[in-house]
Amino acid sequence: KAGVTQTPRYLIKTRGQQVTLSCSPISGHRSVSWYQQTPGQGLQFLFEYFSETQRNKGNFPGRFSGRQFSNSRSEMNVSTLELGDSALYLCAVGPGGGDGYTFGSGTRLTVV
Amino acid sequence: GENVEQHPSTLSVQEGDSAVIKCTYSDSASNYFPWYKQELGKRPQLIIDIRSNVGEKKDQRIAVTLNKTAKHFSLHITETQPEDSAVYFCAPPPSGGYNKLIFGAGTRLAVHP
Repeated sequence: KAGVTQTPRYLIKTRGQQVTLSCSPISGHRSVSWYQQTPGQGLQFLFEYFSETQRNKGNFPGRFSGRQFSNSRSEMNVSTLELGDSALYLCAVGPGGGDGYTFGSGTRLTVV
Repeated sequence: GENVEQHPSTLSVQEGDSAVIKCTYSDSASNYFPWYKQELGKRPQLIIDIRSNVGEKKDQRIAVTLNKTAKHFSLHITETQPEDSAVYFCAPPPSGGYNKLIFGAGTRLAVHP
């Protein structure tokens, strides 16, 4: 079964800074997708990478970007942080057997 | 475009009662219908899913039913227990073929002992 490791688990940044989050699929799944979870907007799709190529992008500003490496590890970057970027950022790999997706534990980003 | 609606937004039941959560989607070409459970402070986890060629699927106390004509599918939990308390999300991916889950707003289920 796929496992997903996200680092760091918690992060506090100030407005205007930039941040990089990491997602490592244990089993080497080639597809990694990212989601933002906030109390007001729920779970929203950010983007998806497959074999180092971005295949799909959600409705987020260009400050949100990502990439994927040849070992399937993915990073997402948020530049010029705003207070509203405070959220739980989740990555998911899949589909696995039966089309299910496996989520990482997430990175909780707080922007102050 | 893709639109997913989930009802109710909150649900409170007594232990042992049944709970039903409904998800309505807009993409008539969708063919995969999952439900995820997210406990407080934890990651979403797939609990049950169904494909479009099947009308119902059961796994112990949980079941999912699908009505493709009406474009909705439902999560049924019987004999609810306090550990069922969580937020439940439906997330039917669009038919575009890419790994992009469109989540419903979630249903917060509270099971009271």
